[in-house]
Amino acid sequence: ELKVEQNPLFLSMQEGKNYTIYCNYSTTSDRLYWYRQDPGKSLESLFVLLSNGAVKQEGRLMASLDTKARLSTLHITAAVHDLSATYFCAVDSGYSTLTFGKGTMLLVSP
Amino acid sequence: DSGVTQTPKHLITATGQRVTLRCSPRSGDLSVYWYQQSLDQGLQFLIQYYNGEERAKGNILERFSAQQFPDLHSELNLSSLELGDSALYFCASSADRLSGYTFGSGTRLTVV
Repeated sequence: ELKVEQNPLFLSMQEGKNYTIYCNYSTTSDRLYWYRQDPGKSLESLFVLLSNGAVKQEGRLMASLDTKARLSTLHITAAVHDLSATYFCAVDSGYSTLTFGKGTMLLVSP
Repeated sequence: DSGVTQTPKHLITATGQRVTLRCSPRSGDLSVYWYQQSLDQGLQFLIQYYNGEERAKGNILERFSAQQFPDLHSELNLSSLELGDSALYFCASSADRLSGYTFGSGTRLTVV
């Protein structure tokens, strides 16, 4: 059974700081997705990582995938308040279904 | 607007009742997925349909069922509702695995 672990589960940051969220998964997969969720809202797709070594960047967020280590990272650069949200990684099980991590609640304060 | 439409947005019902949640996928997407999000279980995959046929099943209770119609919209039926069924139910659609999955805005179900 595929297991996906995110850490940390809660992250309080100051504006302007950098930090990384980690996503480990238990079985082989070469497809990983990052989503953002604001409270009570839908899941917004951030990144689709489809191969080993994939790196994608959008604004202050950068995601990478290491399929050999079964690890993805979401790096936040110079955080701003608008990035406050819950971030989920999700791994494709190979049957076109997603297994989600528990999410990382990010709070960015001045 | 993600292009995936879910109705209703909110639903309050009593224990023992039955409800139907509806989802219209993005234009052109053949696959529809249902997920449940609750505080204790997190986001869990329930069921997938592809072009009208059930393709994969996850942690879906026997009291729950789904179908996808010829026009590709999907319905999730929840019966004999219990307090623990209170959750956000999301529908997602995809064209293929390479393009990812687009989620609807969800239906918040409250069972009282």
